[in-house]
Amino acid sequence: EVQLVESGGGLVQPGGSLRVSCAASGFTFSSYSMNWVRQAPGKGLEWISYISSSSSIIYYADSVKGRFTISRDNARNSLYLQMNSLRDEDTAVYYCARSLGNIGTRPFGDWGQGTLVTVSS
Amino acid sequence: DIVMTQSPDSLAVSLGERATINCKSSQSLLYSSTNKDYLAWYQQKPGQPPKLLIYWASTRESGVPDRFSGSGSGTDFTLTISSLQAEDVALYYCQQYYSTPPWTFGQGTKVEIK
Repeated sequence: EVQLVESGGGLVQPGGSLRVSCAASGFTFSSYSMNWVRQAPGKGLEWISYISSSSSIIYYADSVKGRFTISRDNARNSLYLQMNSLRDEDTAVYYCARSLGNIGTRPFGDWGQGTLVTVSS
Repeated sequence: DIVMTQSPDSLAVSLGERATINCKSSQSLLYSSTNKDYLAWYQQKPGQPPKLLIYWASTRESGVPDRFSGSGSGTDFTLTISSLQAEDVALYYCQQYYSTPPWTFGQGTKVEIK
């Protein structure tokens, strides 16, 4: 069974930093592209970052480009999102999501339960 | 960026009746080299992550009940729940995964029981 478990969320002040993680199990992590998708309270879904299986291809949404960094450790079956210069509008549940394959142009077949990041003073 | 617009924002349907959700993209999602529409549908129940229902506009994900179906091509797509069940109460999102990112979602449609 595919499992994606996010961790690392919490309360952080504006301008601060936070790293969220996603532990993967139940599949060959190194064979799949991964994504981060966020959802602000009561709002819709926003894709924010993609990383290919070998980390050779990385994309970001404009809203986080230059502030967030996606990475993965295939030996540890883990996905990361380093978030710097956090803003109030970054407050959201952050989901890791597995692509259906190792190509970006694929839907998100599996999702974690999410971790809440709250940016507030 | 490709803008995805869903309609309606919410709908109330009686148990056993049909529910229809529309999704329109600002540009065609039909990729000529594959002849596939790069469009997916997700279901999100309260307090849960989204769940993939349909991809390639009409391919049902494994385990998804056959009362869920997707149709359409190009810029206009539809998710149909043929006979609404109580467990189908949820938010539904369409998403395009065409070409280079950003991959965008519709604003969501809330389905309730009438």
